[in-house]
Amino acid sequence: ILNVEQSPQSLHVQEGDSTNFTCSFPSSNFYALHWYRWETAKSPEALFVMTLNGDEKKKGRISATLNTKEGYSYLYIKGSQPEDSATYLCAFREGSNYKLTFGKGTLLTVNP
Amino acid sequence: NAGVMQNPRHLVRRRGQEARLRCSPMKGHSHVYWYRQLPEEGLKFMVYLQKENIIDESGMPKERFSAEFPKEGPSILRIQQVVRGDSAAYFCASSPEVNQPQHFGDGTRLSIL
Repeated sequence: ILNVEQSPQSLHVQEGDSTNFTCSFPSSNFYALHWYRWETAKSPEALFVMTLNGDEKKKGRISATLNTKEGYSYLYIKGSQPEDSATYLCAFREGSNYKLTFGKGTLLTVNP
Repeated sequence: NAGVMQNPRHLVRRRGQEARLRCSPMKGHSHVYWYRQLPEEGLKFMVYLQKENIIDESGMPKERFSAEFPKEGPSILRIQQVVRGDSAAYFCASSPEVNQPQHFGDGTRLSIL
């Protein structure tokens, strides 16, 4: 059974704060790490697919880094806005498998 | 450009009935994935299909659950003789290739009375 852990489980920040959270995954047989953003009552929205150790991807104020050797990825949000409030999910894909194994997510609440 | 369409959004069944959940992938996407989210749990992979083929069904319960993705029409997740424990949100996702991001539908909330 693959273990994908996300921390913290939930996070409250003030508008304008920068924040980050962690996804840890097995460091062996890595294929890809996906990040999704899931707003309440909507469907998960793909943010990044990361495949190379040392990868850094950016989309507006959101960026992510990847360390496959130690099995972790960070997601950063710069200058959080209330509309960033959502659950952020990471999902790990093992080399021999097609399926994604999801973490339980980090619930971010940005207070105005 | 319509996204992944799932219907119905909500489905209520009595124990012992059958539940059929439909998923139309995004245009041009031939890879379909089904996930289940049980109460207080994360998304769990169930099955991955390409047109007319089941590629990986390692997350499907061995009994009562089946999935198909016919040449024409939507992908169907079928649950026979439903039990209370089948109550969950069922999400479908699609991608153009297996290595691409998966685009999710809004899910079907299944409630078993």
